[in-house]
Amino acid sequence: QKEVEQNSGPLSVPEGAIASLNCTYSDRGSQSFFWYRQYSGKSPELIMSIYSNGDKEDGRFTAQLNKASQYVSLLIRDSQPSDSATYLCAVRDSNYQLIWGAGTKLIIKP
Amino acid sequence: GAVVSQHPSWVICKSGTSVKIECRSLDFQATTMFWYRQFPKQSLMLMATSNEGSKATYEQGVEKDKFLINHASLTLSTLTVTSAHPEDSSFYICSASFLAGSYEQYFGPGTRLTVT
Repeated sequence: QKEVEQNSGPLSVPEGAIASLNCTYSDRGSQSFFWYRQYSGKSPELIMSIYSNGDKEDGRFTAQLNKASQYVSLLIRDSQPSDSATYLCAVRDSNYQLIWGAGTKLIIKP
Repeated sequence: GAVVSQHPSWVICKSGTSVKIECRSLDFQATTMFWYRQFPKQSLMLMATSNEGSKATYEQGVEKDKFLINHASLTLSTLTVTSAHPEDSSFYICSASFLAGSYEQYFGPGTRLTVT
């Protein structure tokens, strides 16, 4: 059974600090990795996609991928209360299926 | 770009009736559309995947005769919940993908279904 694992949280981070969200996956043949943000009662919103090892930056968000360790992370710099949400990691596996993590609830404290 | 709409945003229906939910890609042609269900405080559950003009592929445990999916065009997919029961009350979300192989999915705003 292919899996994507995330710590459910909640992860509490003070405003202005860096929030670090982690995700591990079981299928070594996975090729595409996505981070989605979901506010309570709303649908998910794509934040970042990453396809190759290393870092990818977009504004305050940085996605990091390490295929050897089967690990993908999302860093949020200068965290704001509006970043409080559930962050979903999704991985396209070797069978071209998108496998979803259960999500990490992030709380940014003013 | 990559805007997906859903209609209605919420619906209340009586047990035994059917409800149709529409999902439209507004500014792109969707090669594939997906239907998800999400219960409170739980993760997304993929129900089915559909390609335009083809029959939908349902996930294990999802009754295809109860959840009818029609993907009539590259911009429209519909989900019909037939003979709805209170346990079908949930948040139904569609998403669409337009780049073959990229697998980036763009989500609609969701439809909250309450069956009384």
